[in-house]
Amino acid sequence: NAGVTQTPKFRVLKTGQSMTLLCAQDMNHEYMYWYRQDPGMGLRLIHYSVGEGTTAKGEVPDGYNVSRLKKQNFLLGLESAAPSQTSVYFCASNMDNGLNGYTFGSGTRLTVV
Amino acid sequence: AQSVTQLGSHVSVSEGALVLLRCNYSSSVPPYLFWYVQYPNQGLQLLLKYTSAATLVKGINGFEAEFKKSETSFHLTKPSAHMSDAAEYFCAVTNGGGYQKVTFGTGTKLQVIP
Repeated sequence: NAGVTQTPKFRVLKTGQSMTLLCAQDMNHEYMYWYRQDPGMGLRLIHYSVGEGTTAKGEVPDGYNVSRLKKQNFLLGLESAAPSQTSVYFCASNMDNGLNGYTFGSGTRLTVV
Repeated sequence: AQSVTQLGSHVSVSEGALVLLRCNYSSSVPPYLFWYVQYPNQGLQLLLKYTSAATLVKGINGFEAEFKKSETSFHLTKPSAHMSDAAEYFCAVTNGGGYQKVTFGTGTKLQVIP
């Protein structure tokens, strides 16, 4: 059981560079989420998806784009990275819109210099 | 609107002592409440959840939490701390029905002193 797999685990970007974070789940979950975690701020929702082909904005969507072309994958893109996007990014998924909790990936630590 | 407040960003206990991590919530409708644990360099793992079936909820690793509507609280406890309990703990709240946003607290880091 792989659960939720995030790649890469670490990345250093220069300001203005672009990158894509990949989240893959093998549990046939409908709902997928991207969060960022910053010290003292808990987790903040960036974007989410309620099914294949759908995406929606969360609390802090600016500077990020997402796609869910396949049910098992949820991609998070940074078109032009900024130092303010230095953070730990977590992907999560669930079947039933959160009422039984989420399954989280192990995170991607991104540094933008 | 919904929110959670975790009192104390850092809590230290001696090994074998009671663990008490505090969480208060605000919700306009009956809430669903969760506690998650995060070990260093790992993702969050669900410890336990309250979904209105019983006010005292037992989770993994000997943790439990009690839902108290009158106090709008959902504190996490464990009778005897173990070194392996050292981690960061997050309280979270959501409302039922359709897609509903989950709001996380800012976390409490638990240190266990030998």
